[in-house]
Amino acid sequence: LAKTTQPISMDSYEGQEVNITCSHNNIATNDYITWYQQFPSQGPRFIIQGYKTKVTNEVASLFIPADRKSSTLSLPRVSLSDTAVYYCLVGDIRGQGGKLIFGQGTELSVKP
Amino acid sequence: SAVISQKPSRDICQRGTSLTIQCQVDSQVTMMFWYRQQPGQSLTLIATANQGSEATYESGFVIDKFPISRPNLTFSTLTVSNMSPEDSSIYLCSVESGGGEAFFGQGTRLTVV
Repeated sequence: LAKTTQPISMDSYEGQEVNITCSHNNIATNDYITWYQQFPSQGPRFIIQGYKTKVTNEVASLFIPADRKSSTLSLPRVSLSDTAVYYCLVGDIRGQGGKLIFGQGTELSVKP
Repeated sequence: SAVISQKPSRDICQRGTSLTIQCQVDSQVTMMFWYRQQPGQSLTLIATANQGSEATYESGFVIDKFPISRPNLTFSTLTVSNMSPEDSSIYLCSVESGGGEAFFGQGTRLTVV
């Protein structure tokens, strides 16, 4: 499973777009990129997953360049409730059957 | 999707005792996963629990300390044995949807005094 590097913390204000970048230089051909969100006293929650280019859902967008050595999670117009820790994971989740290796995550703080 | 219920949600235990954490899933799943999250830290995988076979433990975790049961396809337990204050953590169980998305329980917050 590829190792990931992401900023330890980020600050933002309500209404802003937040972009969190994750580096994964050793990503393998079969690896997917997945982001999870964790609020205090809760288990992580799946946000988005992608393999290449761009993926968008109702919560976020995920941008993956052609070399796939990094990815950017984009949260449009954040609110106070988006304050959480965001984890970037890289691996062949289908092959691993759900075995996840978590990095340190990015603690996002949204201020009014 | 999958809904996971964990019990207890929290507990305060005396050192030297054991606590069994239950994880119930609302659908049948092949594998269930147990994680530990120490205060202020990320999640660390403890073991993978398959129905009908012994759990597979990650480096640094052993069966004597964290015995796991998996009696059927919707249920698993993790026991934290002979506890010490260093075992104070949040313990979470997880399943994978089959489509690459993992679902987690709310966690069990354990404090050992």
